[in-house]
Amino acid sequence: QKEVEQDPGPLSVPEGAIVSLNCTYSNSAFQYFMWYRQYSRKGPELLMYTYSSGNKEDGRFTAQVDKSSKYISLFIRDSQPSDSATYLCAMTSDSWGKLQFGAGTQVVVTP
Amino acid sequence: NAGVTQTPKFQVLKTGQSMTLQCAQDMNHNSMYWYRQDPGMGLRLIYYSASEGTTDKGEVPNGYNVSRLNKREFSLRLESAAPSQTSVYFCASSEGGGRSPIFGPGTRLTVL
Repeated sequence: QKEVEQDPGPLSVPEGAIVSLNCTYSNSAFQYFMWYRQYSRKGPELLMYTYSSGNKEDGRFTAQVDKSSKYISLFIRDSQPSDSATYLCAMTSDSWGKLQFGAGTQVVVTP
Repeated sequence: NAGVTQTPKFQVLKTGQSMTLQCAQDMNHNSMYWYRQDPGMGLRLIYYSASEGTTDKGEVPNGYNVSRLNKREFSLRLESAAPSQTSVYFCASSEGGGRSPIFGPGTRLTVL
């Protein structure tokens, strides 16, 4: 069983809708949680990171972590076609380079 | 400021051939990493180097070797390529101490 589970999608939404993404994990030692965006044939780029439980907001993006349920979420408000990409969750216990990634969810925002 | 650069961008090898993937960063980062990305698997850590002069195995190190040539450069070598090593390889670097790694553009490798 993978340590980090993520639905691969694809997830198709109309422009302006809220995109809801999530990951579940099994390792209770994870305490740093990240979301990366990856455009086709590009490297991942960091969108959001959260330490331990709680919420974090940055513009149209909100990240939530519920350590008691081992569940993290990313919400994208007012989605745009430029948000069409694969979104990867990642997490680690104490070392940012040794990340455990989910498989990634492909998001398609249609005009 | 180029960030993390990788060469080559694409490569096709035959089974048993060897090659080295090159990675360089210009951000003066201490730590560097090699990941591979396969469909449905996310990214998996192959090797990492916490600082110049040190290397350590990650989750999937078999079939690979690495060299931290200096602070800027971290290479990944496939001594005898196998079809199971067909993948997209990403190099990354970070300052460490709670900073997210920055990824390069990737090398797409096909082993026939």
